[in-house]
Amino acid sequence: DAKTTQPNSMESNEEEPVHLPCNHSTISGTDYIHWYRQLPSQGPEYVIHGLTSNVNNRMASLAIAEDRKSSTLILHRATLRDAAVYYCILGGTSYGKLTFGQGTILTVHP
Amino acid sequence: EPEVTQTPSHQVTQMGQEVILRCVPISNHLYFYWYRQILGQKVEFLVSFYNNEISEKSEIFDDQFSVERPDGSNFTLKIRSTKLEDSAMYFCASSYMIGAFFGQGTRLTVV
Repeated sequence: DAKTTQPNSMESNEEEPVHLPCNHSTISGTDYIHWYRQLPSQGPEYVIHGLTSNVNNRMASLAIAEDRKSSTLILHRATLRDAAVYYCILGGTSYGKLTFGQGTILTVHP
Repeated sequence: EPEVTQTPSHQVTQMGQEVILRCVPISNHLYFYWYRQILGQKVEFLVSFYNNEISEKSEIFDDQFSVERPDGSNFTLKIRSTKLEDSAMYFCASSYMIGAFFGQGTRLTVV
């Protein structure tokens, strides 16, 4: 499985945008970029995924670098409920087996 | 909104006993998974299941583990003879084409 690198932790203030980076320099041409998050004491939750183009949904935006070696998950206005561990995962399909790393612990301050 | 449901939420069992963890995936989903998370560690893939058979499994998923979809709605994980190191949160997930949807998990405690 291709490897991703994320910062261990990030902090944000409520109602501010948050940009969560992920490096994946060994990504293959067919790998999808997935983002999941895990709130405290809950199961992982799908956030967004993309292949080449930037993507938006009701939860977040995903900005993918032109060379696809990095991506950024954007939370437009952080809320306290967004405090979670965020995982950037590469996968061969838009669904399928997920290999979780340590992720980025996001702390949101009121 | 459809969701994956898991029962029980917490299971305590004695070492050597068999346990069955149950999951009801989202109804139109085709792919089913089990993951586990030992306290303080990463979420680990165990097994994926498609078209009534295992499509992929990890090294963790040894002969002590089995999965079954006994009817059109349930998806179960059986651990035949539990060990202390099987204590973890077990998450069921299902997917159709976009993303995987996880249940809230079963906390398994082996004593």
